Amino acid sequence: GAGVSQSPSNKVTEKGKDVELRCDPISGHTALYWYRQRLGQGLEFLIYFQGNSAPDKSGLPSDRFSAERTGESVSTLTIQRTQQEDSAVYLCASSGGGLAGGLYSYNEQFFGPGTRLTVL
Amino acid sequence: AQSVAQPEDQVNVAEGNPLTVKCTYSVSGNPYLFWYVQYPNRGLQFLLKYITGDNLVKGSYGFEAEFNKSQTSFHLKKPSALVSDSALYFCAVRDTGFQKLVFGTGTRLLVSP
Repeated sequence: GAGVSQSPSNKVTEKGKDVELRCDPISGHTALYWYRQRLGQGLEFLIYFQGNSAPDKSGLPSDRFSAERTGESVSTLTIQRTQQEDSAVYLCASSGGGLAGGLYSYNEQFFGPGTRLTVL
Repeated sequence: AQSVAQPEDQVNVAEGNPLTVKCTYSVSGNPYLFWYVQYPNRGLQFLLKYITGDNLVKGSYGFEAEFNKSQTSFHLKKPSALVSDSALYFCAVRDTGFQKLVFGTGTRLLVSP
C-alpha cells in the first residue's frame, strides 16, 4: 500500500481480556517496529523485526506482550490479560533498510496512524 | 545508552516569526538524528534526518535542523512560522549499531496568528 496501515484504529477492552493489534507495513519494507505512546509522553520502543532475523524484543514491558511477523509483511502485536496501564496509542513503523554488507541502514521510519487502546 | 532530551514542553511563536525547537542527545557512537511531527489524531511524519556530512539539514515544509557535535544538539528551525505548523514535534536518535529509535518526550509548538 501507499503507507503503513494499522487496525483497529480504536480498541476498548475490559481489564483481563486479550487484544490483537495489526500492522500492514509499506510493501517492500524489510524492517518493522512497534512503539507505545502513553498520553503526554514520547514513544517507547517495544519490538523490532528485520527480515528473517530474530526480532529485537528488548522493549517489551512484560511477558504479556508478544508480536509476530509473517515474512516481510503483516505483523500482529498481542497483549494478554490487559491492564489499565496498557492504555496507550500503539504505533507501528516500517523502513526500507536492513543489514547490507554488515552496515545498518539509515533510512527513516514511516509510521502508521496508530491504534488507540483503552483498557477499562 | 542513547538518550534524547527536549527541554521545552511547549514553544509559542507568532506567525511569521522564526521558530526553534530544541533537542540535545547522548550516544556512545556516531549519532543518527531525526525529527518527526505529529498532528492531532495522526501518526508521526518524518521531517528530516542527519546521518553524516553537512551540519545543516533541510527537510520537509521549510524546516531545517543544525547538527552541533560540540554541543550535542540538533535543534529544529524554521525562518518563518505558519499557524499550520502547530503540532507536536519529536526528536529521535539512533546510536551506531542499533536499529531502534529513542525518542524525546516531544515539544508542542503553538503558532498564533
